[in-house]
Amino acid sequence: EVQLVESGGSLVQPGGSLKLSCVASGFTFSNYWMDWVRQTPGKSLEWIGEINTDGSKTNYAPSIKDRFTISRDNAKSTLYLQMSNVKSDDTAIYYCTTTSGYWGQGVMVTVSS
Amino acid sequence: DVVMTQTPVSLSVSLGGQTSISCRSSQSLVHSDGNTYLYWYLQKPGQSPQLLIYKVSNRFSGVPDRFSGSGSGTDFTLKISRVEPEDLGVYYCYQGTHYPPTFGSGTKLEIK
Repeated sequence: EVQLVESGGSLVQPGGSLKLSCVASGFTFSNYWMDWVRQTPGKSLEWIGEINTDGSKTNYAPSIKDRFTISRDNAKSTLYLQMSNVKSDDTAIYYCTTTSGYWGQGVMVTVSS
Repeated sequence: DVVMTQTPVSLSVSLGGQTSISCRSSQSLVHSDGNTYLYWYLQKPGQSPQLLIYKVSNRFSGVPDRFSGSGSGTDFTLKISRVEPEDLGVYYCYQGTHYPPTFGSGTKLEIK
Protein backbone atom coordinates (compact mmCIF):
# COMPACT_ATOMS: atom_id res chain seq x y z
CA GLU A 1 0.00 0.00 0.00
CA VAL A 2 1.30 3.41 -1.00
CA GLN A 3 1.75 5.73 1.96
CA LEU A 4 2.96 9.31 2.12
CA VAL A 5 3.34 10.79 5.58
CA GLU A 6 4.12 14.47 5.94
CA SER A 7 5.51 16.07 9.08
CA GLY A 8 7.09 19.29 10.26
CA GLY A 9 4.12 21.61 10.11
CA SER A 10 3.77 24.25 12.80
CA LEU A 11 3.13 27.88 13.63
CA VAL A 12 5.91 30.09 12.27
CA GLN A 13 6.42 33.84 12.32
CA PRO A 14 6.49 35.90 9.12
CA GLY A 15 10.01 35.89 7.71
CA GLY A 16 10.83 32.64 9.43
CA SER A 17 11.80 29.24 8.09
CA LEU A 18 10.41 25.73 8.26
CA LYS A 19 11.27 22.36 6.76
CA LEU A 20 8.60 19.82 5.89
CA SER A 21 9.28 16.14 5.35
CA CYS A 22 7.35 13.43 3.55
CA VAL A 23 8.23 9.79 4.11
CA ALA A 24 7.14 7.45 1.36
CA SER A 25 6.49 3.73 1.49
CA GLY A 26 4.79 1.04 -0.54
CA PHE A 27 6.43 1.93 -3.84
CA THR A 28 9.88 2.50 -5.29
CA PHE A 29 10.33 6.13 -4.29
CA SER A 30 13.42 6.68 -6.45
CA ASN A 31 11.46 5.89 -9.61
CA TYR A 32 8.99 8.76 -9.29
CA TRP A 33 8.97 12.49 -9.68
CA MET A 34 7.40 14.03 -6.59
CA ASP A 35 5.35 17.18 -6.10
CA TRP A 36 4.27 19.49 -3.30
CA VAL A 37 0.77 20.97 -3.43
CA ARG A 38 -0.87 23.25 -0.87
CA GLN A 39 -4.45 24.03 0.04
CA THR A 40 -5.30 27.40 1.47
CA PRO A 41 -7.87 27.97 4.24
CA GLY A 42 -10.29 28.99 1.48
CA LYS A 43 -9.76 25.50 -0.01
CA SER A 44 -7.94 26.58 -3.17
CA LEU A 45 -5.33 24.11 -4.37
CA GLU A 46 -1.98 25.38 -5.59
CA TRP A 47 0.87 23.41 -7.11
CA ILE A 48 4.11 24.46 -5.44
CA GLY A 49 6.76 22.51 -7.29
CA GLU A 50 8.28 19.22 -8.29
CA ILE A 51 11.52 17.29 -8.27
CA ASN A 52 12.78 14.63 -10.62
CA THR A 53 13.80 11.12 -9.66
CA ASP A 54 17.40 11.75 -8.70
CA GLY A 55 16.90 15.25 -7.33
CA SER A 56 18.88 16.97 -10.05
CA LYS A 57 15.97 18.96 -11.47
CA THR A 58 13.28 21.03 -9.82
CA ASN A 59 10.49 23.28 -11.04
CA TYR A 60 8.62 25.81 -8.91
CA ALA A 61 5.52 27.93 -9.00
CA PRO A 62 6.33 31.64 -9.44
CA SER A 63 4.60 32.48 -6.15
CA ILE A 64 7.20 30.63 -4.08
CA LYS A 65 10.24 30.59 -6.32
CA ASP A 66 13.47 31.61 -4.54
CA ARG A 67 11.81 31.13 -1.14
CA PHE A 68 11.07 27.41 -1.15
CA THR A 69 13.40 24.53 -2.04
CA ILE A 70 12.40 20.98 -2.81
CA SER A 71 14.87 18.15 -2.25
CA ARG A 72 14.83 14.41 -1.70
CA ASP A 73 16.82 11.61 -0.13
CA ASN A 74 16.14 8.44 -2.06
CA ALA A 75 18.04 6.32 0.46
CA LYS A 76 15.52 7.42 3.07
CA SER A 77 12.52 7.54 0.71
CA THR A 78 11.94 11.07 1.92
CA LEU A 79 10.89 14.26 0.20
CA TYR A 80 11.56 17.68 1.71
CA LEU A 81 10.23 21.20 1.38
CA GLN A 82 12.44 23.91 2.84
CA MET A 83 10.42 27.07 3.34
CA SER A 84 12.18 30.40 3.92
CA ASN A 85 11.04 33.98 4.36
CA VAL A 86 7.49 32.75 4.85
CA LYS A 87 4.52 35.05 4.48
CA SER A 88 0.96 34.97 5.80
CA ASP A 89 -0.16 33.83 2.34
CA ASP A 90 1.84 30.65 2.85
CA THR A 91 -0.63 29.54 5.52
CA ALA A 92 -2.02 26.28 4.15
CA ILE A 93 -2.15 22.52 4.35
CA TYR A 94 0.85 21.12 2.49
CA TYR A 95 0.59 17.82 0.67
CA CYS A 96 3.27 15.71 -0.93
CA THR A 97 2.09 13.83 -3.99
CA THR A 98 3.44 11.32 -6.43
CA THR A 99 3.09 11.94 -10.13
CA SER A 100 1.30 8.59 -10.20
CA GLY A 101 -1.61 10.10 -8.30
CA TYR A 102 -1.11 9.41 -4.58
CA TRP A 103 -1.34 12.11 -1.90
CA GLY A 104 -0.32 12.27 1.72
CA GLN A 105 -2.69 13.32 4.49
CA GLY A 106 -1.19 16.80 4.58
CA VAL A 107 0.46 18.93 7.23
CA MET A 108 -0.67 22.35 8.47
CA VAL A 109 1.58 25.38 8.28
CA THR A 110 0.39 28.59 9.91
CA VAL A 111 2.30 31.82 9.38
CA SER A 112 1.39 34.38 11.99
CA SER A 113 3.00 36.69 14.50
CA ASP B 1 -0.94 30.69 -15.94
CA VAL B 2 -3.65 28.48 -17.39
CA VAL B 3 -6.99 29.25 -15.76
CA MET B 4 -9.24 26.28 -15.09
CA THR B 5 -12.90 27.24 -14.84
CA GLN B 6 -15.26 24.72 -13.29
CA THR B 7 -19.02 24.81 -13.43
CA PRO B 8 -21.22 24.59 -11.53
CA VAL B 9 -19.78 25.73 -8.22
CA SER B 10 -22.11 23.34 -6.42
CA LEU B 11 -24.76 20.80 -7.24
CA SER B 12 -27.18 18.57 -5.44
CA VAL B 13 -27.93 15.10 -6.77
CA SER B 14 -30.30 12.36 -5.69
CA LEU B 15 -28.94 8.98 -4.77
CA GLY B 16 -28.84 6.84 -7.88
CA GLY B 17 -28.97 9.86 -10.12
CA GLN B 18 -26.52 11.17 -12.68
CA THR B 19 -24.66 14.44 -12.97
CA SER B 20 -21.79 16.09 -14.77
CA ILE B 21 -19.17 18.74 -14.02
CA SER B 22 -17.59 20.95 -16.63
CA CYS B 23 -14.01 22.19 -16.70
CA ARG B 24 -12.73 24.67 -19.25
CA SER B 25 -9.14 25.74 -19.65
CA SER B 26 -7.91 29.10 -20.90
CA GLN B 27 -5.51 27.32 -23.28
CA SER B 28 -5.52 24.03 -25.10
CA LEU B 29 -4.27 21.24 -22.85
CA VAL B 30 -2.80 19.20 -25.67
CA HIS B 31 0.87 18.77 -24.88
CA SER B 32 3.58 18.75 -27.53
CA ASP B 33 3.97 15.03 -26.83
CA GLY B 34 0.39 14.48 -27.96
CA ASN B 35 -1.03 13.75 -24.52
CA THR B 36 -3.65 15.85 -22.73
CA TYR B 37 -2.76 16.14 -19.06
CA LEU B 38 -6.19 16.78 -17.59
CA TYR B 39 -7.03 15.15 -14.28
CA TRP B 40 -10.04 14.95 -11.97
CA TYR B 41 -9.78 14.72 -8.19
CA LEU B 42 -12.33 14.22 -5.44
CA GLN B 43 -11.75 15.59 -1.97
CA LYS B 44 -14.04 13.95 0.51
CA PRO B 45 -14.76 15.78 3.77
CA GLY B 46 -11.73 15.75 6.05
CA GLN B 47 -9.55 13.93 3.54
CA SER B 48 -6.85 14.78 1.05
CA PRO B 49 -7.74 14.86 -2.65
CA GLN B 50 -7.85 11.50 -4.38
CA LEU B 51 -7.26 10.91 -8.06
CA LEU B 52 -10.26 9.76 -10.05
CA ILE B 53 -9.36 10.32 -13.70
CA TYR B 54 -6.02 10.90 -15.43
CA LYS B 55 -5.30 12.09 -18.95
CA VAL B 56 -8.92 13.03 -19.63
CA SER B 57 -10.61 9.66 -19.55
CA ASN B 58 -8.55 7.02 -17.72
CA ARG B 59 -9.88 5.82 -14.39
CA PHE B 60 -7.33 5.55 -11.63
CA SER B 61 -6.84 2.27 -9.81
CA GLY B 62 -9.90 1.30 -7.82
CA VAL B 63 -12.17 4.03 -9.20
CA PRO B 64 -15.59 2.63 -10.09
CA ASP B 65 -16.86 2.81 -13.65
CA ARG B 66 -19.62 5.15 -12.45
CA PHE B 67 -17.03 7.88 -13.02
CA SER B 68 -16.12 8.80 -16.57
CA GLY B 69 -14.14 11.62 -18.11
CA SER B 70 -14.30 13.07 -21.58
CA GLY B 71 -13.34 16.10 -23.60
CA SER B 72 -10.55 17.56 -25.63
CA GLY B 73 -8.65 20.77 -26.20
CA THR B 74 -10.12 23.20 -23.70
CA ASP B 75 -13.44 21.58 -22.73
CA PHE B 76 -13.70 18.64 -20.38
CA THR B 77 -16.45 16.85 -18.49
CA LEU B 78 -16.63 14.51 -15.54
CA LYS B 79 -19.77 12.38 -15.42
CA ILE B 80 -20.95 10.57 -12.35
CA SER B 81 -23.70 8.01 -12.73
CA ARG B 82 -25.61 6.05 -10.10
CA VAL B 83 -24.53 8.55 -7.44
CA GLU B 84 -23.75 6.99 -4.06
CA PRO B 85 -23.39 8.60 -0.63
CA GLU B 86 -19.58 8.30 -0.71
CA ASP B 87 -19.46 10.51 -3.81
CA LEU B 88 -20.09 13.67 -1.82
CA GLY B 89 -17.26 16.13 -1.61
CA VAL B 90 -15.47 18.66 -3.76
CA TYR B 91 -14.35 17.78 -7.27
CA TYR B 92 -11.35 19.51 -8.82
CA CYS B 93 -9.98 19.46 -12.32
CA TYR B 94 -6.23 19.91 -12.77
CA GLN B 95 -4.00 20.51 -15.75
CA GLY B 96 -0.43 19.31 -15.95
CA THR B 97 0.26 20.32 -19.52
CA HIS B 98 1.52 23.84 -18.94
CA TYR B 99 3.78 25.20 -16.22
CA PRO B 100 2.78 25.90 -13.59
CA PRO B 101 0.15 23.17 -13.26
CA THR B 102 -3.13 24.62 -12.08
CA PHE B 103 -6.34 23.50 -10.43
CA GLY B 104 -9.93 24.48 -10.93
CA SER B 105 -11.70 26.14 -8.03
CA GLY B 106 -13.80 23.09 -7.29
CA THR B 107 -17.39 21.84 -7.53
CA LYS B 108 -19.12 20.80 -4.35
CA LEU B 109 -21.38 17.79 -4.73
CA GLU B 110 -24.14 17.31 -2.20
CA ILE B 111 -26.48 14.38 -1.94
CA LYS B 112 -30.19 15.18 -1.80
